[in-house]
Amino acid sequence: NAGVTQTPKFQVLKTGQSMTLQCAQDMNHEYMSWYRQDPGMGLRLIHYSVGAGITDQGEVPNGYNVSRSTTEDFPLRLLSAAPSQTSVYFCASSKTTGEGTEAFFGQGTRLTVV
Amino acid sequence: EDQVTQSPEALRLQEGESSSLNCSYTVSGLRGLFWYRQDPGKGPEFLFTLYSAGEEKEKERLKATLTKKESFLHITAPKPEDSATYLCAGGDTGGFKTIFGAGTRLFVKA
Repeated sequence: NAGVTQTPKFQVLKTGQSMTLQCAQDMNHEYMSWYRQDPGMGLRLIHYSVGAGITDQGEVPNGYNVSRSTTEDFPLRLLSAAPSQTSVYFCASSKTTGEGTEAFFGQGTRLTVV
Repeated sequence: EDQVTQSPEALRLQEGESSSLNCSYTVSGLRGLFWYRQDPGKGPEFLFTLYSAGEEKEKERLKATLTKKESFLHITAPKPEDSATYLCAGGDTGGFKTIFGAGTRLFVKA
């Protein structure tokens, strides 16, 4: 059971370049989200999705785009990379049952913008 | 403004020395209070979700409790393998639109 898979694990970009961070989950979860984690600030929500075709902005959406064409995949696009986007990015999926909500995170993508 | 604050920032314990981590929150429309464990270089690992004041949940040496303003993560007789950063988050029922605290780094020495 792979869970939540993120690729790549590491990436270096030049300012102005664009790229897509990939996220895939094999648990058939409806809810998926993207966070960035910066030292001393905790995780901050970038974008989230409640199902295929439905996305919404989180706390820090500027400079990022998302789409959700399938339940499994939720890619994050950086339109024009800036040094302020240097961070560790985490994708998560979650499910809610009678026992409550449980979220699963990927291993992260460490992005450096130079 | 919605906010989640964790204290202390770092905690050093001897093996077997029980203690508690604090998470205070002001999140409008809070539907769930979440605890995660994060090891260096890894993604957060889900521990607990609490929904109402007075609720308690346990897992091995960890017990999470919730009041109307705070949550505590109690660690009983910790072992070195409990060393990690513990994250608290407040959010809605789905658990995907959450506000995270900065975390408490726990070090347990043998």
